[in-house]
Amino acid sequence: SAVISQKPSRDICQRGTSLTIQCQVDSQVTMMFWYRQQPGQSLTLIATANQGSEATYESGFVIDKFPISRPNLTFSTLTVSNMSPEDSSIYLCSVTGVYNEQFFGPGTRLTVL
Amino acid sequence: AQSVSQHNHHVILSEAASLELGCNYSYGGTVNLFWYVQYPGQHLQLLLKYFSGDPLVKGIKGFEAEFIKSKFSFNLRKPSVQWSDTAEYFCAATPGVGSNYKLTFGKGTLLTVNP
Repeated sequence: SAVISQKPSRDICQRGTSLTIQCQVDSQVTMMFWYRQQPGQSLTLIATANQGSEATYESGFVIDKFPISRPNLTFSTLTVSNMSPEDSSIYLCSVTGVYNEQFFGPGTRLTVL
Repeated sequence: AQSVSQHNHHVILSEAASLELGCNYSYGGTVNLFWYVQYPGQHLQLLLKYFSGDPLVKGIKGFEAEFIKSKFSFNLRKPSVQWSDTAEYFCAATPGVGSNYKLTFGKGTLLTVNP
């Protein structure tokens, strides 16, 4: 399985600011995804990060709020823009393996004050 | 809409007890099924997966799951739990055909194993 790292591992931010989360994989992967896990909740898919084109967002998530970049097959960033306390969550990236199973990064724990 | 449901929010067991966590899915066609585990303070790990073939799949740490197509179920089992199995368990599914690999997760079941 791929080794996935995320930066930062956690952050505390002020309302109205933005945070960019990085996801780095140790091998080239086709599919990368970004998920959110709100406190006490399950994981919800935010978007599919497409290499060389715009990300594909799920219902309820928009590019202006969660811009995503995927400049190559090993790296992606997710920005949480104009944050509010409701954005406090764990944000995770994932990649698909050889058999289309998904492997997850360690997550970024975001607290918005 | 595709969905995954887990029956139990919180399960409390004593060590050596047997475990079964329920998972049901609603998908129109073929489906790939997964169980993930999140130990306290750790990231999500894949326990086991079902794509096709033998409906009884074995995963890591003595866990297994059985795919019962007629019941749309994929229950997780372990004959004898240990304190170290304390974790949150997530069932997930994705369509079995095409290029849509997006996972739909259940709400998770918190398992507490008392020594």
